[in-house]
Amino acid sequence: GIQVEQSPPDLILQEGANSTLRCNFSDSVNNLQWFHQNPWGQLINLFYIPSGTKQNGRLSATTVATERYSLLYISSSQTTDSGVYFCAVVGSQGNLIFGKGTKLSVKP
Amino acid sequence: KAGVTQTPRYLIKTRGQQVTLSCSPISGHRSVSWYQQTPGQGLQFLFEYFSETQRNKGNFPGRFSGRQFSNSRSEMNVSTLELGDSALYLCASSLGTNNEQFFGPGTRLTVL
Repeated sequence: GIQVEQSPPDLILQEGANSTLRCNFSDSVNNLQWFHQNPWGQLINLFYIPSGTKQNGRLSATTVATERYSLLYISSSQTTDSGVYFCAVVGSQGNLIFGKGTKLSVKP
Repeated sequence: KAGVTQTPRYLIKTRGQQVTLSCSPISGHRSVSWYQQTPGQGLQFLFEYFSETQRNKGNFPGRFSGRQFSNSRSEMNVSTLELGDSALYLCASSLGTNNEQFFGPGTRLTVL
């Protein structure tokens, strides 16, 4: 099955810094989503981005499907950005396959 | 539109008992998927229902089952609970396969 790898596993930033999270996947995919898991466990949708580039405020994402990777950019990070960021792709059965996540800690 | 809702939010059971979790999808969504999240295994797919039919199933034992009703609400059941079933159970809804999935707040199950 498809493998999804996220890097780095952990990231510590000072408030105001920028960061780039990476997601590599092992096969072509029809769908890719980025999520932020809040401290209570809920997965919050950030981007639905099978290909191309999208922006939403301080966050943007780029997926290069032909090279099998996606990047999530966070600019001017805030303490509320802390949490775990997951990348997930749709497998052949239609289910989401998740990476292990990047744990982001933003210090004031 | 209201988001995906899950009940109950927290549950404590003892080994050997069974449990039923409920998920109400976003209005108009006909696909409901269930995922289990544990610290060791991460997020893993349990099963997906679409129009009351199970379309896909992950690699979990038969103790894990589910169903979907005509209003798209879904339930999952775990029988003969084991300690290792302690996890966060997340439900997601979507219009269909390959559409964006939206998650509920989850049910945190603790098995003692």
